Amino acid sequence: NAGVTQTPKFQVLKTGQSMTLQCAQDMNHEYMSWYRQDPGMGLRLIHYSVGAGITDQGEVPNGYNVSRSTTEDFPLRLLSAAPSQTSVYFCASSPPQGLPQHFGDGTRLSIL
Amino acid sequence: AQTVTQSQPEMSVQEAETVTLSCTYDTSESDYYLFWYKQPPSRQMILVIRQEAYKQQNATENRFSVNFQKAAKSFSLKISDSQLGDAAMYFCAYRNLNTDKLIFGTGTRLQVFP
Repeated sequence: NAGVTQTPKFQVLKTGQSMTLQCAQDMNHEYMSWYRQDPGMGLRLIHYSVGAGITDQGEVPNGYNVSRSTTEDFPLRLLSAAPSQTSVYFCASSPPQGLPQHFGDGTRLSIL
Repeated sequence: AQTVTQSQPEMSVQEAETVTLSCTYDTSESDYYLFWYKQPPSRQMILVIRQEAYKQQNATENRFSVNFQKAAKSFSLKISDSQLGDAAMYFCAYRNLNTDKLIFGTGTRLQVFP
């Protein structure tokens, strides 16, 4: 049972490039979410999804797109990378109604 | 909007001693969940303990326990018999049952000295 798998683990981009961070879970969880972690600011919610075909914005959604075509996958797209998007990104999944979230191992993204 | 505040950026404790990490939150909801997560240098997010707001009894997991004061909107974590492996960042988090959103505090870095 792999849990939540994020790829890649590290990535360096140039300003203006686009890329997709992948997230997959094999626990049949309805709820999935993306966070970014910056020093001194904890984890901030970017986008989340309560099920296939349903997504919504979190606290810091600008510059990011998501889609949820299947229960298992929840990719995060950076449309035009900016240095301010340098961060560690975490994907998480859980059943609904307050049960704990399972986190991936994170992706460290650097934008030059 | 719900907020979570951790007012202690850093804490330290001697091995085998007890330490308490503070967390306060703001919400107008009556039913919600609260969590403490541990993040060691490996960057993994590890669930330490959770508390359902409707339960008056404080949650306990081995050496970890919470002091949940619903009226005061306070949710502190007590670590007893601290071990070197407890050194990590600790995050307090609030989960809204209506939206399922998880809101984190800014974290407390815990150092454990031998």
